[in-house]
Amino acid sequence: AQSVAQPEDQVNVAEGNPLTVKCTYSVSGNPYLFWYVQYPNRGLQFLLKYITGDNLVKGSYGFEAEFNKSQTSFHLKKPSALVSDSALYFCAVRVGPTGGFKTIFGAGTRLFVKA
Amino acid sequence: NAGVTQTPKFQVLKTGQSMTLQCAQDMNHNSMYWYRQDPGMGLRLIYYSASEGTTDKGEVPNGYNVSRLNKREFSLRLESAAPSQTSVYFCASSERQGAEAFFGQGTRLTVV
Repeated sequence: AQSVAQPEDQVNVAEGNPLTVKCTYSVSGNPYLFWYVQYPNRGLQFLLKYITGDNLVKGSYGFEAEFNKSQTSFHLKKPSALVSDSALYFCAVRVGPTGGFKTIFGAGTRLFVKA
Repeated sequence: NAGVTQTPKFQVLKTGQSMTLQCAQDMNHNSMYWYRQDPGMGLRLIYYSASEGTTDKGEVPNGYNVSRLNKREFSLRLESAAPSQTSVYFCASSERQGAEAFFGQGTRLTVV
């Protein structure tokens, strides 16, 4: 079955330290992968995507993600965390084309950045 | 830019009541989606519309119906609300099916 997993419910980091939010996937064919962020009482906001090309993808707010085909992972990273990065982060993968292309989301990882 | 607009933002229903959640996008997107968000379960797709004039079931369609009224608008109807439908509902749109999506601010629905 096609799926996406975020193995950590919560990640805690200190401000200024690097952060990593993990994501693994299981899809057939070449994956389209996404990261979204959700701030309290808001909808999800698109951060970045991987379709093809360079395995390191840069996105909004200084975030980047590394695609690793052999490990079927797409981990979100940032070199220096800010308190304002505290939010809920979702990894997502496009599945299809059988039945049409759809996007499925992981359960989310809550990031806490402590000052 | 309004982006994706959902109404209402909050709603309390009694079991058995019906209601329609409205969604409109002003980005000329072809595809639109309805998701529900429940704690620990991420977002689950209820229904989607790949293009104007088409709708299809997602992962959790039971108890819901949708209408793609035109290219801009995609509504979600609960015919007979149940407590299990207590959730936060998000409408989203994308340029094409499976592309990055833009989300509304959500509707927090409580069924008592």
